[in-house]
Amino acid sequence: QVKLLQSGAALVKPGASVKMSCKASGYTFTDYWVSWVKQSHGKSLEWIGEIYPNSGATNFNEKFKGKATLTVDKSTSTAYMELSRLTSEDSAIYYCTRWGLSLDYWGQGVMVTVSS
Amino acid sequence: DIQMTQSPSFLSASVGDRVTINCKASQNINKYLDWYQQKHGEAPKLLIYNTNNLQTGIPSRFSGSGSGTDYTLTISSLQPEDVATYFCLQHSSRLTFGSGTKLEIK
Repeated sequence: QVKLLQSGAALVKPGASVKMSCKASGYTFTDYWVSWVKQSHGKSLEWIGEIYPNSGATNFNEKFKGKATLTVDKSTSTAYMELSRLTSEDSAIYYCTRWGLSLDYWGQGVMVTVSS
Repeated sequence: DIQMTQSPSFLSASVGDRVTINCKASQNINKYLDWYQQKHGEAPKLLIYNTNNLQTGIPSRFSGSGSGTDYTLTISSLQPEDVATYFCLQHSSRLTFGSGTKLEIK
């Protein structure tokens, strides 16, 4: 069955960067866009951007351009998101998701805490 | 950017009640509207895609309707396991989520 397994929680200092992973299994990784979604504590969801593993093509929410970098490793069916110049506003849970019929499969989420 | 206005923010209803949640888009989204359920501590789960298509495995008490800018999620008979926060998502232009509706049992 389709699974998206994300890396563990991260505690990072302000100004630093963090890179998280999302390992896909149970489907052909290169056939589906992978999106990333942010959920701040107690708040709604924000779409960050997406990447097409087959070509590496990306699309971003304007708000996250320059903040998020999306990459993939086709050999391991893993998608990555790196967030740079972290501030307290970046503390949140980050989900990777697959775009099939919609965002039909989600990873378990990565909690990122930005604190000195 | 398309904005999504979701209402109500909170909803308390009794088991067996019919429940409706609404999303209004800032422009016509041509039925590119999906609904998600998020239980406490879990990732969101797709319920309905493209306005009225039930995702596989989702109970038939969930349904969706709408067109243009106005969309509705209906739970025909509320069950205890439906306690969750519900979000709409438009994907007509980029992706934008609604602000969420927290549903509790009265």
